Amino acid sequence: SQQGEEDPQALSIQEGENATMNCSYKTSINNLQWYRQNSGRGLVHLILIRSNEREKHSGRLRVTLDTSKKSSSLLITASRAADTASYFCATSTSRGSNYKLTFGKGTLLTVNP
Amino acid sequence: EAGVTQFPSHSVIEKGQTVTLRCDPISGHDNLYWYRRVMGKEIKFLLHFVKESKQDESGMPNNRFLAERTGGTYSTLKVQPAELEDSGVYFCASSFEGEQFFGPGTRLTVL
Repeated sequence: SQQGEEDPQALSIQEGENATMNCSYKTSINNLQWYRQNSGRGLVHLILIRSNEREKHSGRLRVTLDTSKKSSSLLITASRAADTASYFCATSTSRGSNYKLTFGKGTLLTVNP
Repeated sequence: EAGVTQFPSHSVIEKGQTVTLRCDPISGHDNLYWYRRVMGKEIKFLLHFVKESKQDESGMPNNRFLAERTGGTYSTLKVQPAELEDSGVYFCASSFEGEQFFGPGTRLTVL
């Protein structure tokens, strides 16, 4: 698998349900970030979790990080049709001031009204 | 506050032609990154500027790609000559420290 690989690749749920996406990575990281991309638009930063953190919340988003398993999960609770988008995890193995990100292929989430 | 902007939003060119993409970062962000996503593949890092200096250009695919950031403000990414496999979406991002803010991307199609 590649650094920052998400699963599932596609997820279809009904409005109101929870959506869980997972991400695995290979190397040690400084932080892990989740991004959303609506069709044809740019990447929107959702949440950043540092390597010394285990869980973080932001609104309806909950992110966990397990550095021993090199994995992270993104939970979206009470999903809405507007949550339909591609979701990417990205890891940063910063060296000095270089915070370049390594992305996975993403999970396409479809929330049906 | 204006976000990261990119121009053009779309570009369609023929193989062998030259294209120049532009990115205007958020004001005050010293770090500027270029990424691209080719069809069906993951978003990949191309290079990183700190002000006007190239910090890391390890992701640049070959010497047909030239990035500049004169004066440490906006950046350009030139592809010359363009090849079919260069088609994809080119993203620019800027940051002050860790969190990167992305632009909407430029969709490049090489025919």
